[in-house]
Amino acid sequence: DGGITQSPKYLFRKEGQNVTLSCEQNLNHDAMYWYRQDPGQGLRLIYYSQIVNDFQKGDIAEGYSVSREKKESFPLTVTSAQKNPTAFYLCASSIAGTGGRGYTFGSGTRLTVV
Amino acid sequence: AQSVTQLDSQVPVFEEAPVELRCNYSSSVSVYLFWYVQYPNQGLQLLLKYLSGSTLVESINGFEAEFNKSQTSFHLRKPSVHISDTAEYFCAVNQAGTALIFGKGTTLSVSS
Repeated sequence: DGGITQSPKYLFRKEGQNVTLSCEQNLNHDAMYWYRQDPGQGLRLIYYSQIVNDFQKGDIAEGYSVSREKKESFPLTVTSAQKNPTAFYLCASSIAGTGGRGYTFGSGTRLTVV
Repeated sequence: AQSVTQLDSQVPVFEEAPVELRCNYSSSVSVYLFWYVQYPNQGLQLLLKYLSGSTLVESINGFEAEFNKSQTSFHLRKPSVHISDTAEYFCAVNQAGTALIFGKGTTLSVSS
């Protein structure tokens, strides 16, 4: 079955360490997205990519980095520069193009930094 | 710039009662509107969407939403809720070439 796989489901890291969250899709979608979810804050856009080797910053890109070397993969690195990295991270994908496309979401990665 | 406001952060209701989750948006251009549902520790699932045409859209599990352009609203309703409808609901908006912008969410709690 087609879908999006995020791994791992839970991740613990020490403060000051970089950590990379994996997101893989087999839906043949061109566009991929990373959102951060905090209680009471909804989802906030970190980065998105509409085509391989290209990506754009979202509303809260500081302290994060991404790459899009393959259509299927859009990994997110949470760097030590991110001041408050503990959160639930959601990856999504969609058919690229004009608006109105529904997104398919992964099941999320819960990152805890201690 | 687009924005989405979900007017209620929590909505507690009894089973079989009707419910309305309110969503307002702001945008200077035509938009597409969505409702997503999230169960604990899971990703989001698309519930329904408005792209064009009939202003009343329905989902397969009894929810409906009505697009009201003059009031810039897209409220979600269900005439009779079940315990299994307990979840967090997100309203979202986008326009051509932009990523989805989400509201802060409404937690629907259904009790017996």
